[in-house]
Amino acid sequence: GAVVSQHPSRVICKSGTSVKIECRSLDFQATTMFWYRQFPKQSLMLMATSNEGSKATYEQGVEKDKFLINHASLTLSTLTVTSAHPEDSSFYICSARLLESQYFGPGTRLTVL
Amino acid sequence: KQEVTQIPAALSVPEGENLVLNCSFTDSAIYNLQWFRQDPGKGLTSLLLIQSSQREQTSGRLNASLDKSSGRSTLYIAASQPGDSATYLCAVRRGSGGGADGLTFGKGTHLIIQP
Repeated sequence: GAVVSQHPSRVICKSGTSVKIECRSLDFQATTMFWYRQFPKQSLMLMATSNEGSKATYEQGVEKDKFLINHASLTLSTLTVTSAHPEDSSFYICSARLLESQYFGPGTRLTVL
Repeated sequence: KQEVTQIPAALSVPEGENLVLNCSFTDSAIYNLQWFRQDPGKGLTSLLLIQSSQREQTSGRLNASLDKSSGRSTLYIAASQPGDSATYLCAVRRGSGGGADGLTFGKGTHLIIQP
């Protein structure tokens, strides 16, 4: 149980385009999901907390207009990277909270050319 | 601001050895601490979760301890196997719980178990 999926697993896009990443909890409902970013050889950094039915809470330094988060249902949160630039290239991982633990998706590798 | 440090950054040992990975955090006001495993290019697998009121947790060959007052945790791996090779991440959940706070991660320890 407690499986979280992400789609796509890899995406390559041109600079200036927007990319949407989906995070789904497959066998449980999650009122709260989290989005993290991981640069090479760095730790995971929390970007934002996604709350079902309400606005996301962004960490300091994360641009909410650039990283749009929508948590429209109890099993789906989406992260849209708008007007992507090469510096946005990273590994994006979501997690969904169930009781005291967070369960992580397999991640999405974003490469912006 | 909470900071999590993991030592060593990398470790390579022969198969069969027992080993200890270290994690320290600057703010002792944590709700819980979790150890994860990350394989290359993959997501995270939760290994052990220790609540702030607990001292240790065990799962198979893994044992994690927590000393909240000193801001330290260790992950002990017994009788290491090549399949244990991965990056091990320590993460703390901030706040008093109840809410939905995210995790603060260390940079991880890259572990290689030599056959």
